[in-house]
Amino acid sequence: DGGITQSPKYLFRKEGQNVTLSCEQNLNHDAMYWYRQDPGQGLRLIYYSQIVNDFQKGDIAEGYSVSREKKESFPLTVTSAQKNPTAFYLCASSFSGSPYEQYFGPGTRLTVT
Amino acid sequence: GEDVEQSLFLSVREGDSSVINCTYTDSSSTYLYWYKQEPGAGLQLLTYIFSNMDMKQDQRLTVLLNKKDKHLSLRIADTQTGDSAIYFCARGGDSGAGSYQLTFGKGTKLSVIP
Repeated sequence: DGGITQSPKYLFRKEGQNVTLSCEQNLNHDAMYWYRQDPGQGLRLIYYSQIVNDFQKGDIAEGYSVSREKKESFPLTVTSAQKNPTAFYLCASSFSGSPYEQYFGPGTRLTVT
Repeated sequence: GEDVEQSLFLSVREGDSSVINCTYTDSSSTYLYWYKQEPGAGLQLLTYIFSNMDMKQDQRLTVLLNKKDKHLSLRIADTQTGDSAIYFCARGGDSGAGSYQLTFGKGTKLSVIP
């Protein structure tokens, strides 16, 4: 089955530690995205990548880093510089042409204490 | 104001129609989308409409677009308890470098009363 997988579903970390969230897709999509979702805030774009070895900052990139070494994979690292990292993180992917439909993974809930 | 605005809550009785409304400010968007999110899950694309269309129907879902007023609506006919979820409006497909990016509203929580 084609789709987007994110692991793990729940992640717990101590403050001051970096943590990497996994996102893999087998849809042959060119573009991949990371969003953060907080209650009542909707989705906010962290980073996106249109092609392998290239990525751009979204609206809230501070304290996060990404890599895109393979077309299928777009891991997100939440660094200790992120002031409020506890949130629900969603990965998405799309083809590079219109209508730019984005398909989402099931999400990872990160709790930092 | 926000780029994409939605009312936060909507409550309907099972079997009635639900209408979820969305307004946006940027008229350069080529596509407008509706997504559904069930508790603790990712977003599921329900439908999208191209900006030169007025209406799109897909089974129980009807999307209406008033481009002049920058108003988008999603009508769910014969609403069922399984339709209870948060519904997000999004715009995207803008020309130029921003074409990949979607801008989301904050979501409308639909509660269906049995």
